[in-house]
Amino acid sequence: EAGVAQSPRYKIIEKRQSVAFWCNPISGHATLYWYQQILGQGPKLLIQFQNNGVVDDSQLPKDRFSAERLKGVDSTLKIQPAKLEDSAVYLCASSLRGVSWTGEADTQYFGPGTRLTVL
Amino acid sequence: GEDVEQSLFLSVREGDSSVINCTYTDSSSTYLYWYKQEPGAGLQLLTYIFSNMDMKQDQRLTVLLNKKDKHLSLRIADTQTGDSAIYFCAERNSGYALNFGKGTSLLVTP
Repeated sequence: EAGVAQSPRYKIIEKRQSVAFWCNPISGHATLYWYQQILGQGPKLLIQFQNNGVVDDSQLPKDRFSAERLKGVDSTLKIQPAKLEDSAVYLCASSLRGVSWTGEADTQYFGPGTRLTVL
Repeated sequence: GEDVEQSLFLSVREGDSSVINCTYTDSSSTYLYWYKQEPGAGLQLLTYIFSNMDMKQDQRLTVLLNKKDKHLSLRIADTQTGDSAIYFCAERNSGYALNFGKGTSLLVTP
């Protein structure tokens, strides 16, 4: 079974530029998550999709960040314009079930991440 | 948001046991997780425990849960140099996303 794919793996941009990240979840997984991991910290949820709908985007800085999951499969996360404090690893994860699932733990599988450096 | 707390660093000798501790915040969390992150890699799920359990064992890994104190621990038996990594404790929130601690950096010395 193929894992969660992300691209690019690394990106360096200057502040005020825009950048986009792509995620392809595990086939058939209903839920997709984007997390931001700043150096020395644990991942923090940015946005959660179930199929092509948003479940939680309460921690997404909507003035500069946007994300979409058209057709309920792949997802893109965009930053425009980037700030220095956006330097981080952006992790995508997926899980099989949706939020209505009450059965056994629904494991989140993580991709390798995209390391963003903003100069 | 509320924080999941972990000690930041642990050093052990190869062959010894490692114990990584975590305190979580949400008493309604149904599942608690341990993830491992090696340099430049994504997060690898090690194990999880359901909140109505006190203990779960999986080969060299033992998870202990004290729900009253909201305390979770991960014990790695016979720690090897390949176990050197950052270990994250995480609680599942009501929307099924994960709330992570800052991670414990485990260094295993020969």
